[in-house]
Amino acid sequence: GENVEQHPSTLSVQEGDSAVIKCTYSDSASNYFPWYKQELGKRPQLIIDIRSNVGEKKDQRIAVTLNKTAKHFSLHITETQPEDSAVYFCAADLMDSNYQLIWGAGTKLIIKP
Amino acid sequence: DVKVTQSSRYLVKRTGEKVFLECVQDMDHENMFWYRQDPGLGLRLIYFSYDVKMKEKGDIPEGYSVSREKKERFSLILESASTNQTSMYLCASSPGGKYEAFFGQGTRLTVV
Repeated sequence: GENVEQHPSTLSVQEGDSAVIKCTYSDSASNYFPWYKQELGKRPQLIIDIRSNVGEKKDQRIAVTLNKTAKHFSLHITETQPEDSAVYFCAADLMDSNYQLIWGAGTKLIIKP
Repeated sequence: DVKVTQSSRYLVKRTGEKVFLECVQDMDHENMFWYRQDPGLGLRLIYFSYDVKMKEKGDIPEGYSVSREKKERFSLILESASTNQTSMYLCASSPGGKYEAFFGQGTRLTVV
């Protein structure tokens, strides 16, 4: 079946540094790639998404890049802050489904003071 | 500004019990989902529904069933709870797979 691989599983960075999380997907027809953030004890929430007609999208300190040829996409967080500590999930849509997303296993981001 | 509400935050049930997890959304979304979240395994889809009384199996439907009698409500049923169903259960709704999904706060189910 189709899958999404997410790396690393845990990422520890110094406050103020940048963090990069990478995902690789298998369904070459996927064209929607969201990122969700789940703070400890809270529900996952969408932080940014990208569709296949663009290669990069930015929203303040976060950005997502997409390489459709290589079938991978990445989340970039610059000037990390303590409130960025959370688990981040990537996902990709399934071409033959109007409903389903395939999820990565998650990355636990730790911001060290 | 709560949009997706799950009936219980924590639940403890005994092995063999029938368990009902309820989810209600107020955004008039067509699609609703039940996920199971375990450490290191991400979000695994159990069942989803794209319309009232319509349902489809996800990746791990064994041991679960669902019911959607009204558009706003999607129920997950554990027919006979087992200890390996101890997990965090997340409900979500969305207008479609290519749009933002809104999650409930989760139900931490422990089966003893």
